[in-house]
Amino acid sequence: DTAVSQTPKYLVTQMGNDKSIKCEQNLGHDTMYWYKQDSKKFLKIMFSYNNKELIINETVPNRFSPKSPDKAHLNLHINSLELGDSAVYFCASSLGGANVLTFGAGSRLTVL
Amino acid sequence: AQSVAQPEDQVNVAEGNPLTVKCTYSVSGNPYLFWYVQYPNRGLQFLLKYITGDNLVKGSYGFEAEFNKSQTSFHLKKPSALVSDSALYFCAVRDISSSASKIIFGSGTRLSIRP
Repeated sequence: DTAVSQTPKYLVTQMGNDKSIKCEQNLGHDTMYWYKQDSKKFLKIMFSYNNKELIINETVPNRFSPKSPDKAHLNLHINSLELGDSAVYFCASSLGGANVLTFGAGSRLTVL
Repeated sequence: AQSVAQPEDQVNVAEGNPLTVKCTYSVSGNPYLFWYVQYPNRGLQFLLKYITGDNLVKGSYGFEAEFNKSQTSFHLKKPSALVSDSALYFCAVRDISSSASKIIFGSGTRLSIRP
């Protein structure tokens, strides 16, 4: 069983489109995250939810909207996609905010 | 504010030799420190962490790291490198004195082990 699973793994789309990435964890963790890894491999936190409540919201454009329907799921919706949104988006989870992160395999988004 | 630095973009080591990947950090309080490894087209995997206690921490795949408070460093080490250790390594830090703080990652160091 995959601990943190993300779908889709690859996403190729046109500028201006709206797309979503889904994440699910079966570890019983209470905190989930979205990280963005750019082409230079820099890893930057975007959002964090604890028990469905938003606790970290970095300086991210309003076009990005996370949604956590329950503590096992954290989805990321992106409106009006831009070229600069091309990156690998990683979902992660942890038990509490200071503990070890378990990462998904990543979702590679390419905006043409 | 918290930050973490990995001064080397790339480290090259011959198989069988010891390796060190450097990490320094800055926090206003006490740190939680982590090392993660990323293989191509994969998510990050946890290697080891320092929370408190013994300054020398042992982790997965024979890796260890030493917490040095005076030098604010947490270098990753392995006595004898394997070709399979070749990957991208990330140091991460969280300032535990602030409940609102988050885990910050360094810029990553690419470790290349030659046969």
